[in-house]
Amino acid sequence: GAVVSQHPSWVICKSGTSVKIECRSLDFQATTMFWYRQFPKQSLMLMATSNEGSKATYEQGVEKDKFLINHASLTLSTLTVTSAHPEDSSFYICSARGRLEVHNEQFFGPGTRLTVL
Amino acid sequence: AQSVAQPEDQVNVAEGNPLTVKCTYSVSGNPYLFWYVQYPNRGLQFLLKYITGDNLVKGSYGFEAEFNKSQTSFHLKKPSALVSDSALYFCAVTKKGSYIPTFGRGTSLIVHP
Repeated sequence: GAVVSQHPSWVICKSGTSVKIECRSLDFQATTMFWYRQFPKQSLMLMATSNEGSKATYEQGVEKDKFLINHASLTLSTLTVTSAHPEDSSFYICSARGRLEVHNEQFFGPGTRLTVL
Repeated sequence: AQSVAQPEDQVNVAEGNPLTVKCTYSVSGNPYLFWYVQYPNRGLQFLLKYITGDNLVKGSYGFEAEFNKSQTSFHLKKPSALVSDSALYFCAVTKKGSYIPTFGRGTSLIVHP
């Protein structure tokens, strides 16, 4: 149980285009989803937290107009990188927390490698 | 504020030898502690957690970790390392009522044949 998927697993796009990344909880209802960014050989940087049906809470320094997050259902959250540029190239990881999770555990997706040319 | 320190960027160990990956934390109140492993181009996989109870926690793939409150540590250990254990390991801390963990910067474990 507690499986989180991400799609796509990797994407290459041209500068200026927008890219959408999906995060799904496959076998549980995710009341909260988290989006992280990871640079090579570095730790995870929390970008935003989203609760189902409400606006995402962005961490300081993360542009909300650049990284659009939608959490429309209890099993799906999307991250859209708008007008992507090479500096947006990174590994994006989502995680999800279930309604019944009492010990604050998050379940992580496999990540999405974004390369902007 | 809560924080996690993983003092070693890299740990090298020979296959068959015991391994330790260090983690110390700072948090107000009782900590919830986690270890995750990340293989190249993959997300994080949960290894084990400490919430309460026995200080020695056993997890996946033969790993264990010992919670030491006086030293505020939660070192990851394995009695006999495998080459396939080579990966990036992250320690994380949170606490009751706070569901956003703080991650350490990660430790690269390299197990030599």
